[in-house]
Amino acid sequence: SQTIHQWPATLVQPVGSPLSLECTVEGTSNPNLYWYRQAAGRGLQLLFYSVGIGQISSEVPQNLSASRPQDRQFILSSKKLLLSDSGFYLCAWIGTNTEAFFGQGTRLTVV
Amino acid sequence: GQQLNQSPQSMFIQEGEDVSMNCTSSSIFNTWLWYKQDPGEGPVLLIALYKAGELTSNGRLTAQFGITRKDSFLNISASIPSDVGIYFCAGQRSNFGNEKLTFGTGTRLTIIP
Repeated sequence: SQTIHQWPATLVQPVGSPLSLECTVEGTSNPNLYWYRQAAGRGLQLLFYSVGIGQISSEVPQNLSASRPQDRQFILSSKKLLLSDSGFYLCAWIGTNTEAFFGQGTRLTVV
Repeated sequence: GQQLNQSPQSMFIQEGEDVSMNCTSSSIFNTWLWYKQDPGEGPVLLIALYKAGELTSNGRLTAQFGITRKDSFLNISASIPSDVGIYFCAGQRSNFGNEKLTFGTGTRLTIIP
């Protein structure tokens, strides 16, 4: 069966520091992968999605970037974090039946 | 980006009560999904709907795909404490997994002791 791993679970980073969040999927090939951000008590905002290696689509202009170096690996990065980057980041895999499966999430606090 | 309108935003109910929430869109979706998110966790899929008019149950949960394809409803019967959380609807225009999902704004369910 397919599983999705996301790490770290929590992260506290100072303003101006770099960021790297990793997401990997097992049990499937060529998955469509997504990064979402959720502000406290709010809905899910789509940040990036990728339909294959090296293919990244950005939904909103911001301080973040994404990369897909391998088929089942999706990375969210920033060169210099802002306070407004704080939030709950979720990686998701969407299967052929359109059902999205989410990782456990990363709680990022920028201080 | 587009978001689905989900209501109510929050609900405060007593244990044992039934719950109803809905999701509407100005455009047609061909897939509707309902998720539940516990605090500090990723959303978990509850019910998937693929056909207009479809009514699907998962235990005490029942969801319907609106006949106009612009809305969906989720009902929870006889609520219990573990039902607490945020419920999200999500829609996709195609029936295949190569198009991004659009999520609703969420309904926060709280059970009053």
